[in-house]
Amino acid sequence: GAVVSQHPSRVICKSGTSVKIECRSLDFQATTMFWYRQFPKKSLMLMATSNEGSKATYEQGVEKDKFLINHASLTLSTLTVTSAHPEDSSFYICSASLGGQVLGKLFFGSGTQLSVL
Amino acid sequence: ELKVEQNPLFLSMQEGKNYTIYCNYSTTSDRLYWYRQDPGKSLESLFVLLSNGAVKQEGRLMASLDTKARLSTLHITAAVHDLSATYFCAVDIKGNSGGSNYKLTFGKGTLLTVNP
Repeated sequence: GAVVSQHPSRVICKSGTSVKIECRSLDFQATTMFWYRQFPKKSLMLMATSNEGSKATYEQGVEKDKFLINHASLTLSTLTVTSAHPEDSSFYICSASLGGQVLGKLFFGSGTQLSVL
Repeated sequence: ELKVEQNPLFLSMQEGKNYTIYCNYSTTSDRLYWYRQDPGKSLESLFVLLSNGAVKQEGRLMASLDTKARLSTLHITAAVHDLSATYFCAVDIKGNSGGSNYKLTFGKGTLLTVNP
């Protein structure tokens, strides 16, 4: 089945540094990928929609300058948390859709646990 | 704004028992997802329900969708310990063309604990 790979799975960084998270569709092309954020024992909140070759679409309340999204190819989207602060600590999950190929199917990456000290 | 409400949020049950998790949503959508999440892990897709009256079953889990009532259920039959996890329902928001754009709104999740 379709696989979405996310890397790294866990990252610890100092406050003020930037962290890049990669999301790759391994065996299919994903023109659209999604980035979610999940706080401990909470639900997933959609942060942004990543479109290949164009600017990402951010959900209301999500700072686009803080969470930089780049979708440079049909198989790779990256999320960069800039100038990270402790309140950015969270579980970040990407997903990609097969769209018409497998109707309705969304595949999620394994997630990245970000801890900002 | 699409709202998705799940209940119960916490469910503790004994092995062998049956129970149902409910998922209500506030606006029209014809696509509903159920996911399972184990602690510290990502989401595992369980079911995709695409039309009114859809029913899908996998092992001890069965999901159904009533789009008129805006309600989906996840029924657990003869629970076993391995089913302990958090279960999320999610509904997508229709795109401008009327089709799905896969932007999901998630319920808060149901933490299921199955006790021996």
